Amino acid sequence: EAQVTQNPRYLITVTGKKLTVTCSQNMNHEYMSWYRQDPGLGLRQIYYSMNVEVTDKGDVPEGYKVSRKEKRNFPLILESPSPNQTSLYFCASSPSSGDLTYEQYFGPGTRLTVT
Amino acid sequence: AQSVTQPDIHITVSEGASLELRCNYSYGATPYLFWYVQSPGQGLQLLLKYFSGDTLVQGIKGFEAEFKRSQSSFNLRKPSVHWSDAAEYFCAVVGGSNYKLTFGKGTLLTVNP
Repeated sequence: EAQVTQNPRYLITVTGKKLTVTCSQNMNHEYMSWYRQDPGLGLRQIYYSMNVEVTDKGDVPEGYKVSRKEKRNFPLILESPSPNQTSLYFCASSPSSGDLTYEQYFGPGTRLTVT
Repeated sequence: AQSVTQPDIHITVSEGASLELRCNYSYGATPYLFWYVQSPGQGLQLLLKYFSGDTLVQGIKGFEAEFKRSQSSFNLRKPSVHWSDAAEYFCAVVGGSNYKLTFGKGTLLTVNP
């Protein structure tokens, strides 16, 4: 089944404790992206990757890092989480083929709480 | 920069009534537009999309949307709402070299029995 998977789905952690949220897709998509969703703000892009070893900042990159060493994986790293990073996080991927490039497939989400 | 406005934060309709959710976008070139739905505690599901061609697009679950370039709108409609349609709905536009999806802030739909 074609899908985007995220782990963990739920995480409660403390301020300053480094964490990684994994994202993997099995559709051979070149493009991957991370979004965060906050009440009243909709979804905002954190980072994106056009292909392996190519990443760039989105609208709200502060406090986050990413890497893209393999096409299928795009982990989100919070090196020193703070309470304002408590949010619902979505990973998405998209093929790079004409109009298909614009349709993104979303993972199930990771709910992160930082205390 | 692209942007999306969903003027209605919360809409309540009765089951069986018709529904229209509004979406206005701002984008310099031909927009690629989407509607997503998020049920409570769930992820995002694509309802429908507009890339080009017929301005009235059909989606899943009986939803449709009409692209109106002159009004910069992409409103979502359903002729008869079911209780299971209660969810939050997001309009989005994508474009630019980074293929970024820009979302509206969402419209929460409540369905009364």
